[in-house]
Order: sequence, then C-alpha cells, then structure tokens
Amino acid sequence: KQEVTQIPAALSVPEGENLVLNCSFTDSAIYNLQWFRQDPGKGLTSLLLIQSSQREQTSGRLNASLDKSSGRSTLYIAASQPGDSATYLCAVLHNNAGNMLTFGGGTRLMVKP
Amino acid sequence: DGGITQSPKYLFRKEGQNVTLSCEQNLNHDAMYWYRQDPGQGLRLIYYSQIVNDFQKGDIAEGYSVSREKKESFPLTVTSAQKNPTAFYLCASSSGTWETQYFGPGTRLLVL
Repeated sequence: KQEVTQIPAALSVPEGENLVLNCSFTDSAIYNLQWFRQDPGKGLTSLLLIQSSQREQTSGRLNASLDKSSGRSTLYIAASQPGDSATYLCAVLHNNAGNMLTFGGGTRLMVKP
Repeated sequence: DGGITQSPKYLFRKEGQNVTLSCEQNLNHDAMYWYRQDPGQGLRLIYYSQIVNDFQKGDIAEGYSVSREKKESFPLTVTSAQKNPTAFYLCASSSGTWETQYFGPGTRLLVL
C-alpha cells in the first residue's frame, strides 16, 4: 500500500528565505504527484501537478521536482513571504488507483516578517 | 462562478444521530470524492463516485453512506455507527478518473 511522508511536519523561517519541503512515497508506480496549499480551516488549493514522465514544474516562486525512482519530490519556495504561511500537502495518484489520491501528513509553514 | 460548495460550514451532531453534509459542484465534473481530515494529518478517502448512480468505498467508508442521484450533487451521511466523527470533511471533484481534483471549502463536524 502506498504511503506518503512529509518532512518536516512544521517549519518556521524568516521572510525572504528560500526553503525546501520534502515528500517521499513508497511505491514508485505513480501516475502523477500534486502539491496543495491549505490555509487554516479551508479547503485545498492545487499548486503544482507533475506527471510521472516529468522532472519538474514551475509556477512563479514555486518549483516542484519529482524523482520517481527514489520516491521523492521537493517543493522549493523562493524568497518566502508571510503570505506563504500555510500547510503544504503532497499527494500521489497511483497507476492502479485512478481515483484514490494518497496524501502526506503535510508541512505547516510559518514565514515570520 | 464555477466551483464546489459545501454546507454547512459547521455541523453539530448529537449522540446516535445521523447527519448529512452537502456537496454541490457546477463544474460539470463526472467524478466526486469525500475526504476526512483529522488535526495535523493528511486526507483520507471515504467514498468516491465516477459517474451518476455509482459510487465506491474508499479507505475509511465504515460509518458513512453516500448517494449520487445527480451529477452535481454528492451528499455524505455520517451515521450513528461512526463512533469518532469529529473531523474536517472535504469534498472534491474532477473531470475524469486521472484528472486534477478540485476541493470545496470543507465542513467541520463536531459532536455534542
């Protein structure tokens, strides 16, 4: 069974710092991997989706990479801002479970002014 | 405005009571999903539906029931058999099995 782990569980950084969030998964037979942002008490907003054939995706200050063979993805946030404070979740879609996203536990990020 | 709506935002359940959470989408998506999120944890799939009048159990379906009579609606009932229902419930939809899922704002269920 696919398991997804995110480290660290919480992270606090000063404004302006570049940071990396990590996501690892146990089964490399994935269709895609997605990064989401969740603000307290709110739903999820999709940030980046990487197909299994891709190595990375970029959107503004965000860059997500995927190394399927090692079961890892990273989300790089450049020049962090207080508005980036939120929980970041990664989720994988397995080749044999088209409807079932498996989520990590999330990384709670706080960017201090 | 296209999107997914969930109601109510907060719901209180008494012991032994069944409660129903509403999820509506106007994105013309075929697939809809219900997830449960416990504090500090990721999401776990309760039920999903790929098409009207069809639905499948997810990882934690016990104590829950759903229906899919209309394409735009996928209500979730939390039955009295669910002994630990306190959680944040999220509904999502997608245009197809392998497509990006879009999420609603969530319903927080509390037990009185």
